[in-house]
Amino acid sequence: AQSVTQLDSQVPVFEEAPVELRCNYSSSVSVYLFWYVQYPNQGLQLLLKYLSGSTLVKGINGFEAEFNKSQTSFHLRKPSVHISDTAEYFCAVTTGFQKLVFGTGTRLLVSP
Amino acid sequence: EAGVAQSPRYKIIEKRQSVAFWCNPISGHATLYWYQQILGQGPKLLIQFQNNGVVDDSQLPKDRFSAERLKGVDSTLKIQPAKLEDSAVYLCASSVPQGASEAFFGQGTRLTVV
Repeated sequence: AQSVTQLDSQVPVFEEAPVELRCNYSSSVSVYLFWYVQYPNQGLQLLLKYLSGSTLVKGINGFEAEFNKSQTSFHLRKPSVHISDTAEYFCAVTTGFQKLVFGTGTRLLVSP
Repeated sequence: EAGVAQSPRYKIIEKRQSVAFWCNPISGHATLYWYQQILGQGPKLLIQFQNNGVVDDSQLPKDRFSAERLKGVDSTLKIQPAKLEDSAVYLCASSVPQGASEAFFGQGTRLTVV
């Protein structure tokens, strides 16, 4: 069965600084990878997804992620964060028709 | 297009009481999911429907949780009787039935069991 590890439970960063949120996965077969964002008292919103093709995936709100098969990683990056990016970020994996498995989340805290 | 609708948004009940949550997925989405999100954790799949059939309910505590999806559209999730550890946000999501299609989430129902 597949699994996801988000090593950082919380990442504090100053506004306009770059940020990287780490995600590692485990699976014996090919996977599809997702990053979701959750704002307070809201449901989850898709930021970006990797299905196949280019390993660098661009998403909404200036976020991007790079799929690294040898490292089994799918880290999320943004070159310059805003206060409004403060939220919980979840990495998720599926092998296709099987269930979407989420990591424990990383809370991004952006301060002025 | 309208998103995934859930109700109620908040619910407070005493332990051993019963509670039900409702979900209306995006029109045309054959796949429907119920996730449980405990504070500080990622969402955990409780049950997945394909139309009105169950695809995966391996993590559903069947002694107290039940779910149904009538006519392959709306769905209800019930807990009876509730325990303190059931306090969580219950998220409903839907997607088209393709291998890696995006799941669209509702705003969730926050359940507090006291």
